[in-house]
Amino acid sequence: DADVTQTPRNRITKTGKRIMLECSQTKGHDRMYWYRQDPGLGLQLIYYSFDVKDINKGEISDGYSVSRQAQAKFSLSLESAIPNQTALYFCATSDSGLSNEQFFGPGTRLTVL
Amino acid sequence: KNQVEQSPQSLIILEGKNCTLQCNYTVSPFSNLRWYKQDTGRGPVSLTIMTFSENTKSNGRYTATLDADTKQSSLHITASQLSDSASYICVVSAIRGSQGNLIFGKGTKLSVKP
Repeated sequence: DADVTQTPRNRITKTGKRIMLECSQTKGHDRMYWYRQDPGLGLQLIYYSFDVKDINKGEISDGYSVSRQAQAKFSLSLESAIPNQTALYFCATSDSGLSNEQFFGPGTRLTVL
Repeated sequence: KNQVEQSPQSLIILEGKNCTLQCNYTVSPFSNLRWYKQDTGRGPVSLTIMTFSENTKSNGRYTATLDADTKQSSLHITASQLSDSASYICVVSAIRGSQGNLIFGKGTKLSVKP
């Protein structure tokens, strides 16, 4: 079984709809992250969490919110989706050491019409 | 400003050939540098990590180098295979208090043709 899973894998939605992307991990890591990836722009950090009670904004948090329901679960919400949020979304986890290797999920391809 | 620049943006090579990807960074204070491989439609996977004191590290046909003085790293792929077709992302970690702060490059897209 995959260590980091994301659901759904693909989602098409309409402008203005609320949508939630979910991430679960079995690696036992404290740290979890949400990124979006657009062609030619690389990975951009949306939100990150260093433990269940810790939530931090990344570079591009506007229009997004997150919830860390448990050590193993970190969800990303788009309260009112807009077309420029169409992108590939990745969840990642890491341990608390400075080595900072991140383990990524398979990604969610989101299309907002 | 902490930045990571990768070149070339894209590269096409023939199967069996070697290639070298470049990463220049302006990240301080430096903690480590990682190269990730990202297959199309999948999440990145770490290939290798370089710390300040390391100059060269190999992982099979992948060899990473680091010059901490010039703040440059390279990823050399030997005897390329079709499965090497992917994006290669350079990620530099800066030390910020007791935490790390990751700065991502935009990646080099490598296409290996038969």
